[in-house]
Amino acid sequence: KAGVTQTPRYLIKTRGQQVTLSCSPISGHRSVSWYQQTPGQGLQFLFEYFSETQRNKGNFPGRFSGRQFSNSRSEMNVSTLELGDSALYLCASSLAGTSSYNEQFFGPGTRLTVL
Amino acid sequence: TQLLEQSPQFLSIQEGENLTVYCNSSSVFSSLQWYRQEPGEGPVLLVTVVTGGEVKKLKRLTFQFGDARKDSSLHITAAQPGDTGLYLCAGCISGTYKYIFGTGTRLKVLA
Repeated sequence: KAGVTQTPRYLIKTRGQQVTLSCSPISGHRSVSWYQQTPGQGLQFLFEYFSETQRNKGNFPGRFSGRQFSNSRSEMNVSTLELGDSALYLCASSLAGTSSYNEQFFGPGTRLTVL
Repeated sequence: TQLLEQSPQFLSIQEGENLTVYCNSSSVFSSLQWYRQEPGEGPVLLVTVVTGGEVKKLKRLTFQFGDARKDSSLHITAAQPGDTGLYLCAGCISGTYKYIFGTGTRLKVLA
């Protein structure tokens, strides 16, 4: 079974631009979560999508948005990029069955550098 | 604010030594995961614990979930250089699908 895939792996943008990151979950997984990882803040939760609906949201500004398609693939968009948005963006998928045993599997991440 | 405190933050030990990493929270978790992450890569799932008091072993790694499901520990016996990496714990808040992550423990095992 293929793992979580993320594209692109690396991205360089300039301030003010926007960027779209893509995530394909493990086959059969219906939940996709996005995280931002930086050396100073660690792993920060952005949002989670389940059945094309945002089910959970972290404390990030509205410049960060996402969506999920009917095939469970997800995209994350960041508009008006700032230098502080430079980070490793991680996508994780899970079956999202009963919450008592729900494992998240991560993709390799997209390294975004904002100049 | 829901927090998952992980300690120690950094650990540098010699090959063959034992170590323990701790994750503590005031939140009750329905499950807790441990991950290991290499630089520039995504975290790789090591284990999931679900039941209070549960102990799981993965070769030289022993994972324990606290009785109240608020804390967990990872013990590595006879550490090897291949164990080097960032160890993360993540708890799924009971009754939700929301995860919180520990700040991570950066382990370096010297040959």
